[in-house]
Amino acid sequence: AQTVTQSQPEMSVQEAETVTLSCTYDTSESNYYLFWYKQPPSRQMILVIRQEAYKQQNATENRFSVNFQKAAKSFSLKISDSQLGDTAMYFCAFMKPQRGSGTYKYIFGTGTRLKVLA
Amino acid sequence: DAGITQSPRHKVTETGTPVTLRCHQTENHRYMYWYRQDPGHGLRLIHYSYGVKDTDKGEVSDGYSVSRSKTEDFLLTLESATSSQTSVYFCATGDRNQPQHFGDGTRLSIL
Repeated sequence: AQTVTQSQPEMSVQEAETVTLSCTYDTSESNYYLFWYKQPPSRQMILVIRQEAYKQQNATENRFSVNFQKAAKSFSLKISDSQLGDTAMYFCAFMKPQRGSGTYKYIFGTGTRLKVLA
Repeated sequence: DAGITQSPRHKVTETGTPVTLRCHQTENHRYMYWYRQDPGHGLRLIHYSYGVKDTDKGEVSDGYSVSRSKTEDFLLTLESATSSQTSVYFCATGDRNQPQHFGDGTRLSIL
């Protein structure tokens, strides 16, 4: 069974600094996708970044980038120039297509609560 | 986001009563999902649907049922609510190789 582990329940970072959130996963699949979602106090789930497992290049979206280490099954999120608006819960998620049914299932980590300090 | 509406947004009810949560999408996505979010557990999949009348169980399906009679609607029913089902419920939609889009969640309290 696939699992997703976020080992840091809470983190804090000073405004304008850089922070890295860790995520590891376990799978025997070779074709899958990884995502980071942000959940601010408003409770919305907002997609931050995605990574296809077959792509070696790390995904980047403005101040957000990932360090994808496929062999180590690691998918960390780096937030540069942290802003107060980055304060949120961050979830790592793993998705793979289901053989036979053609469906897609997602597995989420337990989340890391990030607080950006002024 | 992605035209997903969950109703109600908040509900308080008593143990033993039936409860139905509704998810409506306007994006014509094939896949729809119901999750519950609890502290320390992240999001856990309850049920999902891969087409009209096609549904399957997730990891925490006991005590829940779902129905999808139209592409745009996915209903989650608690036949006889228990206090352990107090949670925040999220609906999500998705499509082939695409990230999920989420509704704004329903906070359900069972007293």
